[in-house]
Amino acid sequence: TQLLEQSPQFLSIQEGENLTVYCNSSSVFSSLQWYRQEPGEGPVLLVTVVTGGEVKKLKRLTFQFGDARKDSSLHITAAQPGDTGLYLCAGASSGGYNKLIFGAGTRLAVHP
Amino acid sequence: SQTIHQWPATLVQPVGSPLSLECTVEGTSNPNLYWYRQAAGRGLQLLFYSVGIGQISSEVPQNLSASRPQDRQFILSSKKLLLSDSGFYLCAWRTGVGTEAFFGQGTRLTVV
Repeated sequence: TQLLEQSPQFLSIQEGENLTVYCNSSSVFSSLQWYRQEPGEGPVLLVTVVTGGEVKKLKRLTFQFGDARKDSSLHITAAQPGDTGLYLCAGASSGGYNKLIFGAGTRLAVHP
Repeated sequence: SQTIHQWPATLVQPVGSPLSLECTVEGTSNPNLYWYRQAAGRGLQLLFYSVGIGQISSEVPQNLSASRPQDRQFILSSKKLLLSDSGFYLCAWRTGVGTEAFFGQGTRLTVV
């Protein structure tokens, strides 16, 4: 069974702080994606990482794919209230490349 | 451009009643289609996915079924709803492995 475990489950921080959220699995993934979801809406893609060890930056967000392609992290620098939301990692492993599974998410609240 | 339509947006149904949620995609052909359910503030649970007409993969044995009668139409059904079927249902499509998943606006189902 493919599982994506995310931590922490909840994160409440002040504006300007840095944070890292994690996505881990015992399975190898061909690629991992990070999505952000607002209440009452569908998730929206932030980034896709494909190569083991890959690092991608999106403004204040830095995404890293583990060397073994089993884990990923999302680091936010100087968080802002607009970063508030549910962050989800998603991927498909060798057991079913068309099957896109999601982690349970990290709910981030950034307070002014 | 591609768009995804999912309806209805909200639904209140009594226990034991049937269910039919419809999702259609425009502007693409032969998409991979997905149905997810999301509990409040949590991650997305994959229910069904389809890589082609009439091809349905079920991920979680439960009170629901899915059908793909046309290339860009995906239907989620139940003959008799249970209280535990309440949740936020999301339909999604993508072109293939590793590509971005695009989500509908979701259906909030409350079984009473």
